[in-house]
Amino acid sequence: EVHLEQSGSEVKKPGSTVKISCKISGYTFTAHYMHWVRQAPGKGLEWLGLVDPEDGKTIYAGNLQDTVTFTADTSADTAYLHLSSLKSGDTAIYYCATLERMFDFWGQGTLVTVSS
Amino acid sequence: DIQLTQSPSVVSASVGDRVTITCRASQPMSIWLTWYQQKPGKAPKVLISAASSLENGVPSRFSGSGSGTDFTFTISSLQPEDFATYYCHQANSFPRTFGQGTRVESK
Repeated sequence: EVHLEQSGSEVKKPGSTVKISCKISGYTFTAHYMHWVRQAPGKGLEWLGLVDPEDGKTIYAGNLQDTVTFTADTSADTAYLHLSSLKSGDTAIYYCATLERMFDFWGQGTLVTVSS
Repeated sequence: DIQLTQSPSVVSASVGDRVTITCRASQPMSIWLTWYQQKPGKAPKVLISAASSLENGVPSRFSGSGSGTDFTFTISSLQPEDFATYYCHQANSFPRTFGQGTRVESK
């Protein structure tokens, strides 16, 4: 059974950084991209980009302004989302998801709250 | 970029009603359109993939159709557990995009 388990909620101050993890099980980690999606409170779904666990290549959505980094650790079957220079507008639930054609599985989400 | 325009943004309906949501793409695309259901506090759940393929375990009252730029999602007979927000998503090209969502609420 495919499962994506994300790390727990975080509360951060503006200007700080946060790292969210997404550990997979039930499939070969390197066989599928890992996408990241966020959802601000009361808002819709926003695609942030992806990492290819096989070679570490990344694709970022055009509006992220170099504050987001995706990585993957194949030894741990875990993908990571690193957010820096946090601001209040980054408050959201962050999801990892495979989002692939006919292979679409989501983590439970990680709430990141940015507040002074 | 492929923009997805979902309509309506809110549907007020009663149990037993037929509900239809449309998702219009800004340019012609392949069949790789997915429909999700999201309930408060939960991750999105895949209902329909490849525009019309019902996911395993999803009730047959849900269906999807369409091609090119126009896609449709239908609930044939709304059930109490179907009150939720629905999103379309295109896996045709990068950047991936989502529709704005349609909230199905009780009339």
